[in-house]
Amino acid sequence: KAGVTQTPRYLIKTRGQQVTLSCSPISGHRSVSWYQQTPGQGLQFLFEYFSETQRNKGNFPGRFSGRQFSNSRSEMNVSTLELGDSALYLCASSLSLGRIIPSYNEQFFGPGTRLTVL
Amino acid sequence: ILNVEQSPQSLHVQEGDSTNFTCSFPSSNFYALHWYRWETAKSPEALFVMTLNGDEKKKGRISATLNTKEGYSYLYIKGSQPEDSATYLCGGGSRLTFGEGTQLTVNP
Repeated sequence: KAGVTQTPRYLIKTRGQQVTLSCSPISGHRSVSWYQQTPGQGLQFLFEYFSETQRNKGNFPGRFSGRQFSNSRSEMNVSTLELGDSALYLCASSLSLGRIIPSYNEQFFGPGTRLTVL
Repeated sequence: ILNVEQSPQSLHVQEGDSTNFTCSFPSSNFYALHWYRWETAKSPEALFVMTLNGDEKKKGRISATLNTKEGYSYLYIKGSQPEDSATYLCGGGSRLTFGEGTQLTVNP
């Protein structure tokens, strides 16, 4: 069974630009969550999508948005990039099994996208 | 936002040593506690998802315990091997907030 894939793996952008990251979950997984990791911080929860709907959201500004398609693939978009957005962005998929609290579900992580904002 | 704290931040042990790390979290509004192993250049991989107070789980040489009433979990590694070198993350809360991790280095 193929794992979670993320594209691109590395990305360099400049301040003010926008970026779109893509995540393909494990086949059969309907929940996709996004996390940000910056130096000195733990993994911070951005949002979770389930059946094309945002089901949970972390405490990030509106510049961070996402969506999920009918095949469960998900994209995350960051507009008006700031230097502080430089980070590793991980997505994770889970079976969910109807449990709406992400914390109940084992997460299967992708390799991440390393975003550098200059 | 759930405040998950892990200690120590980093740990160096010799091959064959047994070791343990701590994960602390607020005991109120507990949902589940996750442990993940994150090796360099790889994706975080789930070790345990624990939900019940007093839970003890084991996978090979690695085991974990959970105390939801006092808000802590311990991860134990028996007879550490160089391949156990990784960052160990714990996370919890409704939105799965993670601590900063414990970076373990096992010297041969």
